[in-house]
Amino acid sequence: ELKVEQNPLFLSMQEGKNYTIYCNYSTTSDRLYWYRQDPGKSLESLFVLLSNGAVKQEGRLMASLDTKARLSTLHITAAVHDLSATYFCAGRPRGGSNYKLTFGKGTLLTVNP
Amino acid sequence: DSGVTQTPKHLITATGQRVTLRCSPRSGDLSVYWYQQSLDQGLQFLIQYYNGEERAKGNILERFSAQQFPDLHSELNLSSLELGDSALYFCASRGGGGDTQYFGPGTRLTVL
Repeated sequence: ELKVEQNPLFLSMQEGKNYTIYCNYSTTSDRLYWYRQDPGKSLESLFVLLSNGAVKQEGRLMASLDTKARLSTLHITAAVHDLSATYFCAGRPRGGSNYKLTFGKGTLLTVNP
Repeated sequence: DSGVTQTPKHLITATGQRVTLRCSPRSGDLSVYWYQQSLDQGLQFLIQYYNGEERAKGNILERFSAQQFPDLHSELNLSSLELGDSALYFCASRGGGGDTQYFGPGTRLTVL
C-alpha cells in the first residue's frame, strides 16, 4: 500500500525567501502530483510528474521527482503572500489503470510580509 | 473553475439520516473519483467509477455507496450518518489519456 509523507507540515516564510517542501513515498509510484488548496476551497492541480528526473516549473514554484529516492520536492522561490495555501502531494501506485491517489497530509504554507 | 460541479455546497443533517451528494464531471470525462477530506483523516480516496462501472474502492464505509449514471454524473449516498462523517466531500474527474484529476468545489457535510 502506497504511503505518502510530506514535511514540513507547517511552514511560515518571509516574503522573498526560498524554501522546499519534501514528499516521500513508500512504494513504487508512477505518477506524482502536486495540488494547492486555499482555505475552504477545492484542490487546484499544479504539477504532474511522470518520470525520474522530471522537473516542472510554473512561476515561483518548481517541482521535481527522484524515483530512486522515492522523493519529490516543491521548491518555492522568492515567496510572495499569494502563495499562502496548503500544498498536497499525491501518488498513484504503479500498475493498474484506476488512478486512485494517495495524498500526503499537506503543508500549510504561510508567507508573511 | 475546473469544470467539475458538485451540489449541494453545504449540507447540514442529523445523525441517522441519509443524504445524497451529486457530481457532474467535466464535459467528456468518463472517470469520476470521490474523496473525503477531514481534519483527522486528511484526504482519502473513497471510490472510482468509469463510464458507469465501479473501478476502484478505497476506504469507503459500507454505509456509503455510489453510482455513475448514463449521462456520467455521479452520486454518493451516505446513510446512517454519524458525527464522524462530517467532512468535505470532493468529486474529481479525469479524461481518457490524461493524468490529471480535476476537483470540484466540494460538498461540506455537517452531521449534528
